[in-house]
Amino acid sequence: TQLLEQSPQFLSIQEGENLTVYCNSSSVFSSLQWYRQEPGEGPVLLVTVVTGGEVKKLKRLTFQFGDARKDSSLHITAAQPGDTGLYLCAGGRRTGTASKLTFGTGTRLQVTL
Amino acid sequence: SAVISQKPSRDICQRGTSLTIQCQVDSQVTMMFWYRQQPGQSLTLIATANQGSEATYESGFVIDKFPISRPNLTFSTLTVSNMSPEDSSIYLCSARTGGGLTEAFFGQGTRLTVV
Repeated sequence: TQLLEQSPQFLSIQEGENLTVYCNSSSVFSSLQWYRQEPGEGPVLLVTVVTGGEVKKLKRLTFQFGDARKDSSLHITAAQPGDTGLYLCAGGRRTGTASKLTFGTGTRLQVTL
Repeated sequence: SAVISQKPSRDICQRGTSLTIQCQVDSQVTMMFWYRQQPGQSLTLIATANQGSEATYESGFVIDKFPISRPNLTFSTLTVSNMSPEDSSIYLCSARTGGGLTEAFFGQGTRLTVV
């Protein structure tokens, strides 16, 4: 079983603070995706990274794929209450049985005023 | 993109009964999956729903407990059979249009409580 461990599991911060969420694995993935899920909804894709060392920015969110394609990080600058949710990383393989995604253990983020 | 409608959105069921969850996608998709999720936690893959053939189940999940159908490229059902309180969870349908680099779309989930 390929595990994706996320840290921290839970984070409660105030509006305006910065934070980083980590996603680590002992396995190599072809791609790494980050999803955000709000209560009562399904996860929604934020970004896909495919190249080792790749960095992508989405407004206040910065995503990085590790050089060895085993880990990733999500950095949020100046967090806002709208960033509250469950953040999930997911590793994908270019080939393989049914091209399944392996989801990380999840990070619950709460941003308060 | 794909929009997924899942129903029911929630249900409370008696132990020993069965519940069938429906998943409808607004476009033809290559792959459909069923996940289970405890509130606030990660997703566990139950099975891949294969069009026109038996689903592919993950370790720990069996067809007798979670029969799955996928009669066409836009529709799938998951049945939770002979339910017990341990089956209380959120069940999510997901669809993808391609392989490992493509986006996964999700339904809003079915929150199941077994009493």
